Amino acid sequence: DVVLTQTPVSLSVTLGDQASISCRSSQSLEYSDGYTYLEWYLQKPGQSPQLLIYEVSNRFSGVPDRFIGSGSGTDFTLKISRVEPEDLGVYYCFQATHDPYTFGAGTKLELK
Amino acid sequence: EVQLQQSGAELVKPGASVKLSCKTSGYTFSNYYMSWLKQMPGQNIEWIGNIYGGNGGTGYNQKFKGKATLTVDKSSSTAYMDLSSLTSEDSAVYFCARGYPGIFAYWGQGTLVTVSS
Repeated sequence: DVVLTQTPVSLSVTLGDQASISCRSSQSLEYSDGYTYLEWYLQKPGQSPQLLIYEVSNRFSGVPDRFIGSGSGTDFTLKISRVEPEDLGVYYCFQATHDPYTFGAGTKLELK
Repeated sequence: EVQLQQSGAELVKPGASVKLSCKTSGYTFSNYYMSWLKQMPGQNIEWIGNIYGGNGGTGYNQKFKGKATLTVDKSSSTAYMDLSSLTSEDSAVYFCARGYPGIFAYWGQGTLVTVSS
């Protein structure tokens, strides 16, 4: 199975700061069709995960442009500029390239 | 508005089975896949498998074959997941989410399954 390693495990920020989360894959996530099926989700306390980014860098409908996904192959990053209170929670990367599809272990974004 | 409404929390005995439901509204059920996912307390999320609303075709994570059985009822736009031979390792929150293999744009609220004697 593909292992997604997220760093850091937790991240303490001040509101208005930038936050950066890394997701490294044990295999390339580029599919044979040329697309890379790497997604990012945010799970707020007591809620279901919500989709932020798909195919590395495409923001889902309604997701603010302060969320920026980037990367290729095995190395991916989610940047959040100007962190706001509603951004706090656990961020997961997820790969839908190789069956079984797998999540990273999560990065908890919290206030300093 | 797309909605996925999951059934309530379950307390089940070891060795028993349980059937979870995910009732949908706001979209054409038969046009989309539904995935099921597992989240143990404070832990990672695992993809269990998927089912196509149109014909009930399924795909499973090998880890959950024999544990989970996915079905649909098109007449009520509802997806179901049967979990069998339950052990403490099956205690978790189970989510349904529209999409496969990813782009889980809509999620149910989750169903807590507790396996205890």
